[in-house]
Amino acid sequence: DVKVTQSSRYLVKRTGEKVFLECVQDMDHENMFWYRQDPGLGLRLIYFSYDVKMKEKGDIPEGYSVSREKKERFSLILESASTNQTSMYLCASSFGRGQLLKQYFGPGTRLTVT
Amino acid sequence: LAKTTQPISMDSYEGQEVNITCSHNNIATNDYITWYQQFPSQGPRFIIQGYKTKVTNEVASLFIPADRKSSTLSLPRVSLSDTAVYYCLVGDLRGFQKLVFGTGTRLLVSP
Repeated sequence: DVKVTQSSRYLVKRTGEKVFLECVQDMDHENMFWYRQDPGLGLRLIYFSYDVKMKEKGDIPEGYSVSREKKERFSLILESASTNQTSMYLCASSFGRGQLLKQYFGPGTRLTVT
Repeated sequence: LAKTTQPISMDSYEGQEVNITCSHNNIATNDYITWYQQFPSQGPRFIIQGYKTKVTNEVASLFIPADRKSSTLSLPRVSLSDTAVYYCLVGDLRGFQKLVFGTGTRLLVSP
């Protein structure tokens, strides 16, 4: 089975802190994604990456950056956390081109910014 | 960019067939339709994907009419464990376009 793991299930940070969310997949997938999920808004794509060191902005990239130095690892960075970034963050991965829509998700990280 | 619209919630009883419809009026020629299931405190899980007509797997069926402006996820004989949120996702399999999930349909199955 494909496994996507996220570094924390729950995280509490203060406003202004730099926050790192880590995601690792074990199936040699080329594509990796970061979403945030908020009540009533569904899942919204923040960034995705289709190869090492490659990234594309999603719908809501403002306030976030990403890093993909190794194929299996995709990091989401909140440069200066704000309260409106309190949310559930979901990481996903999928095989290469032609498999963008069949994604495998991690369990999520619930981030609270106070 | 195909926007999707789903009912917010649906109720059913064990053993019934449930049909959840997703509207995607501006679907593009190369777009596929994918459905996910999400349980509380878990990430979404892929259920089924299709392009046109009908697709069936061991979990569900997906019906797509000829105009492809909507699709229907059909769950046969639901059980309590099918209580979850179901998301429709429309997009290009290969294009690096923005992927947009709908807001999901919360299905509640009662005994």
